[in-house]
Amino acid sequence: AQKVTQAQTEISVVEKEDVTLDCVYETRDTTYYLFWYKQPPSGELVFLIRRNSFDEQNEISGRYSWNFQKSTSSFNFTITASQVVDSAVYFCALSEASGGTSYGKLTFGQGTILTVHP
Amino acid sequence: NAGVMQNPRHLVRRRGQEARLRCSPMKGHSHVYWYRQLPEEGLKFMVYLQKENIIDESGMPKERFSAEFPKEGPSILRIQQVVRGDSAAYFCASSPRLTGANTEAFFGQGTRLTVV
Repeated sequence: AQKVTQAQTEISVVEKEDVTLDCVYETRDTTYYLFWYKQPPSGELVFLIRRNSFDEQNEISGRYSWNFQKSTSSFNFTITASQVVDSAVYFCALSEASGGTSYGKLTFGQGTILTVHP
Repeated sequence: NAGVMQNPRHLVRRRGQEARLRCSPMKGHSHVYWYRQLPEEGLKFMVYLQKENIIDESGMPKERFSAEFPKEGPSILRIQQVVRGDSAAYFCASSPRLTGANTEAFFGQGTRLTVV
């Protein structure tokens, strides 16, 4: 069975601080996909990144960066120089590939509420 | 993603009534997924459909819940005889093909169901 754990329920930081959101996953598959989504107060889900299990390169996109470590089954997300607009709930998710295909069945973590204070 | 349209955005139903949630996938997308987000929880997979077929309904409650994705028209998630515990945000996602490399499912804005 697959499982995603986001141990940090809530994080509060002051603007311009760096913040890292942790994500640990469990899966038996050798091929899988990891995602991060942002859910702002308005409620929609905003896709941030997808990473497949064969690509352990870290990625940077502006103030966002992701650290994928297969050895520790972690896919952590760092926001550099946080801003008030980053305040949201952030979800890590896992999609397994079975039989060579995956069909979008995402397993989500419980989410981390990030509050950035001015 | 604004391309996946869900309506209504907010729905209030009295206990025992029926709730119908609609999802129009992005143009060209033939795969639809429904997820439920209970208050202060993460999203939980409910059902995966392709046009006219239910592929995986392992996350659907055994009773009162059903889903369809007809050849024409939106996907519908139907909840009969709603109870207070059905109050949640229901999200629909669509993708053009099996997700995996180079694809991801795009989410709608959700329907927030409140049962009073």
